[in-house]
Formats: sequence, C-alpha cells, structure tokens
Amino acid sequence: GAVVSQHPSWVICKSGTSVKIECRSLDFQATTMFWYRQFPKQSLMLMATSNEGSKATYEQGVEKDKFLINHASLTLSTLTVTSAHPEDSSFYICSASTPGAQETQYFGPGTRLLVL
Amino acid sequence: AQTVTQSQPEMSVQEAETVTLSCTYDTSESDYYLFWYKQPPSRQMILVIRQEAYKQQNATENRFSVNFQKAAKSFSLKISDSQLGDAAMYFCAYNTNAGKSTFGDGTTLTVKP
Repeated sequence: GAVVSQHPSWVICKSGTSVKIECRSLDFQATTMFWYRQFPKQSLMLMATSNEGSKATYEQGVEKDKFLINHASLTLSTLTVTSAHPEDSSFYICSASTPGAQETQYFGPGTRLLVL
Repeated sequence: AQTVTQSQPEMSVQEAETVTLSCTYDTSESDYYLFWYKQPPSRQMILVIRQEAYKQQNATENRFSVNFQKAAKSFSLKISDSQLGDAAMYFCAYNTNAGKSTFGDGTTLTVKP
C-alpha cells in the first residue's frame, strides 16, 4: 500500500515553455502532498506544501508564480513550472502522507526536468 | 527550527560486514518521529526504518536497526550483513505530526564486493 506515482518520469522542454508534473496517490487519499527539488548528490529541498482544496504554502525563496501548485482532488497534485529556464533543470519529487499518519511520507519516483 | 545533521558525507563497507551511519538532530519538541530513507541510483526514495520518539525500544527491520539516544538527540542506522544492493544515498529525516520533514544532507554508502 501507500503508493505514489509521478508523471512524467522525465521531460525535456525548450526554454520559455511551461511543464506540468502530476503526483498521484494511487491507493489512499492524501489531504497533504509535498513538492521537493533535488540537485545531484544533494538533499531534498522542500518547495511547497500542497493542501487539497486550498492554496499551497511555499517555502521561503520559492517563487509561487513560477512554480504553480494545484491540489484539485484528494489523490492528485500538480506542479507547473512556468516559463521554464535552464536553471530550472532539476529532479522534482513529490510525497504524500496517509490520513491519520501525517508523519510518514511516501515518495513518488521523481521527475527529471531538462530545460534546453 | 529543527535541524538534522549527517556528519559522514561518504561511507564504505565490505560486503557482509556491518556499517553504522550517524545522524544527530536538534529540536525542542518532545513528540516527534525519525526516519532513515534510502535513495538508490534510480533516485526513488525508499523508507528504511522509522522510530517514534516516545518509544524507548530501538526500531529494527531485518538487517537494519537504529540506535536512538533521545537525550543525546542521536539516531544512527546500523546495517548488518551488508549487501551490494545496499549501496545508495541514505537520508536521516525528522518529522512531527504536521507532516513536514526535515532532511539531513545524506550519506553515500558504497559496498565493496
């Protein structure tokens, strides 16, 4: 149980375009999902907390207009990188917690984004 | 704010031997959770083991066990009978009931055949 999927697993796009990444909890409902960014051989950096039915909470230094987060249902959160630039190239990971066990996060497999 | 420190950027172990990865943390909370996650080259984060702070007994999961010292705010991971598949980056993490995790910088473990 507690499986989280991400789509796509990797994406290459041109500079200036927007890219949408989906995060789904497959066998449970997640009122809260988290979005992370990870550079090679570094730790996970929390970008934002996604709450179903309300606005996301962004960490300090993360541009909310650039990284749009929508949590439209209890099983789906999306991260849209708007007007992507090469410096946005990274590995993006989402996670979700099961109801009643908010302290344990289950991670998606991640999405590799390369902006040319 | 909570912090998690992993003082060993890299560790290596001989296959079938035992290795211990260190983690210390800082918090003013009394109720919290600690985790070790494994991130292999595929970069999928895998939960290895979790520990509730209110439990004195150290958690174990097969070859993986922790040494949880609450007063010292230490949470080390011991891997016994190391296998080639254990090679990965390991992250120590702290969490409360709010669900927002704080991660250490990670330790890259190499397993030598």
